[in-house]
Amino acid sequence: GENVGLHLPTLSVQEGDNSIINCAYSNSASDYFIWYKQESGKGPQFIIDIRSNMDKRQGQRVTVLLNKTVKHLSLQIAATQPGDSAVYFCAENLSGGGANSKLTFGKGITLSVRP
Amino acid sequence: DVKVTQSSRYLVKRTGEKVFLECVQDMDHENMFWYRQDPGLGLRLIYFSYDVKMKEKGDIPEGYSVSREKKERFSLILESASTNQTSMYLCASSLPSLGAGDYEQYFGPGTRLTVT
Repeated sequence: GENVGLHLPTLSVQEGDNSIINCAYSNSASDYFIWYKQESGKGPQFIIDIRSNMDKRQGQRVTVLLNKTVKHLSLQIAATQPGDSAVYFCAENLSGGGANSKLTFGKGITLSVRP
Repeated sequence: DVKVTQSSRYLVKRTGEKVFLECVQDMDHENMFWYRQDPGLGLRLIYFSYDVKMKEKGDIPEGYSVSREKKERFSLILESASTNQTSMYLCASSLPSLGAGDYEQYFGPGTRLTVT
């Protein structure tokens, strides 16, 4: 069936290094993708999003890349900091657009930053 | 800033009890959602609502119901709580995308429910 999945359950990186979190999706009709960060004891918080008519979008220290050919989404975090330690979720919009929609979330990946 | 609040951060209930989880958002969002979050399973959609008095089943609605009497408030109801409903419950809200392709959902802090 259709699903959004993450390749690895955990990722450990050295402070200061760049992090890359990957996500695969299976619905070629998805038109919108979003990354959330969830710190311990908190609800998910928006990081960055991208529409299907784009390949790349940059924010502050974060970049999202979308490869529609292989249905792959990645989140890149530059100069990873201890405060980046969290669970990261990707999500896709499966409704095909319109005024109403709902997101389907991946299972999440834990990013652990080593000092 | 959008603010989504949930009535309790932690809740402990007994099997068979009726449980109400309340969610309020202050940004006049039309869409509201209830998820449960379990280790290894991510966020799973229970119910959602696109308007007052409107509700639609998500992926795992069994054992739950919802109520949306006012635009800002979306309640999740466990009619008879069971131990397998022990979980983190997250509420979210969003605006209609109106074709713009922006479907960002704003989340509350979550309610960790334990059913004993």
